[in-house]
Amino acid sequence: DTEVTQTPKHLVMGMTNKKSLKCEQHMGHRAMYWYKQKAKKPPELMFVYSYEKLSINESVPSRFSPECPNSSLLNLHLHALQPEDSALYLCASSQRTSGGHTDTQYFGPGTRLTVL
Amino acid sequence: KNQVEQSPQSLIILEGKNCTLQCNYTVSPFSNLRWYKQDTGRGPVSLTIMTFSENTKSNGRYTATLDADTKQSSLHITASQLSDSASYICVVSAKQAGTALIFGKGTTLSVSS
Repeated sequence: DTEVTQTPKHLVMGMTNKKSLKCEQHMGHRAMYWYKQKAKKPPELMFVYSYEKLSINESVPSRFSPECPNSSLLNLHLHALQPEDSALYLCASSQRTSGGHTDTQYFGPGTRLTVL
Repeated sequence: KNQVEQSPQSLIILEGKNCTLQCNYTVSPFSNLRWYKQDTGRGPVSLTIMTFSENTKSNGRYTATLDADTKQSSLHITASQLSDSASYICVVSAKQAGTALIFGKGTTLSVSS
């Protein structure tokens, strides 16, 4: 199973709402990632978890709060978002975070987020 | 500064034709280079991965080449199909701790009948 699943596929929320994005993988990967992708742009790294611990936070605003409950699950909690946060949010996983040739990142299908 | 540049930005070809996408990088120290295919609104899917010592890697109708001396890579698509319409992203990994993935901006390929 080389699949990363993400829910929901689409999410529309107001600026005062609290919502969560979910990501799951069962490949035994110990590194998981959140990316934000705007239209016609490459993915931008937001957070990296390695062995369930946050290892990289790319200066992401606190209205985005990641959580890694266990090695298979990754959540992204959203609160008080802005319209400019509307984007495709991608989750990815890899065996480790070393970036070596065995550590290909497998991406999920993404959650299309619209903030009104 | 680590950078990955792709060309062309977009490309339109007729079904059945071949095409070649280019990727130039200035990433050091180099670890590996990947080509991903991303359909609109979907996550990227890995096509090929090449390390420093590999010159060519094929995956079906996709053939990637790497010239580590000139820091250039190409992705050749043979006998294009309508389903090849997507964005193709070149991603270079630096040999260092952490994620160190540098993404190109992608080439948008449109295959028409």
